Amino acid sequence: KQEVTQIPAALSVPEGENLVLNCSFTDSAIYNLQWFRQDPGKGLTSLLLIQSSQREQTSGRLNASLDKSSGRSTLYIAASQPGDSATYLCAVIPLNAGGTSYGKLTFGQGTILTVHP
Amino acid sequence: DGGITQSPKYLFRKEGQNVTLSCEQNLNHDAMYWYRQDPGQGLRLIYYSQIVNDFQKGDIAEGYSVSREKKESFPLTVTSAQKNPTAFYLCASSMGQLETQYFGPGTRLLVL
Repeated sequence: KQEVTQIPAALSVPEGENLVLNCSFTDSAIYNLQWFRQDPGKGLTSLLLIQSSQREQTSGRLNASLDKSSGRSTLYIAASQPGDSATYLCAVIPLNAGGTSYGKLTFGQGTILTVHP
Repeated sequence: DGGITQSPKYLFRKEGQNVTLSCEQNLNHDAMYWYRQDPGQGLRLIYYSQIVNDFQKGDIAEGYSVSREKKESFPLTVTSAQKNPTAFYLCASSMGQLETQYFGPGTRLLVL
């Protein structure tokens, strides 16, 4: 059974720092991996989606990498700002034994990020 | 404005009562999903639907039911059989089952 783990569970940094959030998954048979942001009491906003054949994706100050063989992904946030404070979740779509997939995201528990001025 | 709406924002359930959470999307997406989020935990899949008039159980379907009579709508009913319904419920949709999922703002269900 696919399990997704995010480390650290919480992170507090001063404004302007570059930071890395980690995500690991137990089964390398995935279709893709997504990073989401969640503000308190709100829904999720998709940040980046990496297909299994890709190594990284970039959007503005965000860069996500994927190493499928080692079961790891990192989300790099450059020049952090107080507005980046939120919970960051990673999720994978696993492939089933037949090599197909059904779009069922498996989520990690999230990293709570606080960027203080 | 295109997007996903969920209502109500807060819902209170009495013991033994069934309640229905609404999810509507105008993104013309085929696939829709319901997730449950408990404090300090990631999201867990309750039900999903890849197309109208078809839906599948997720990882924690017991005590829940859904319907998909229209492409735009995917309501979730929390039945009295769900003994621990207090949670944050999130609806999502995607163009195809393997595409980016877009989420609604959520409904918080509380038990009186």
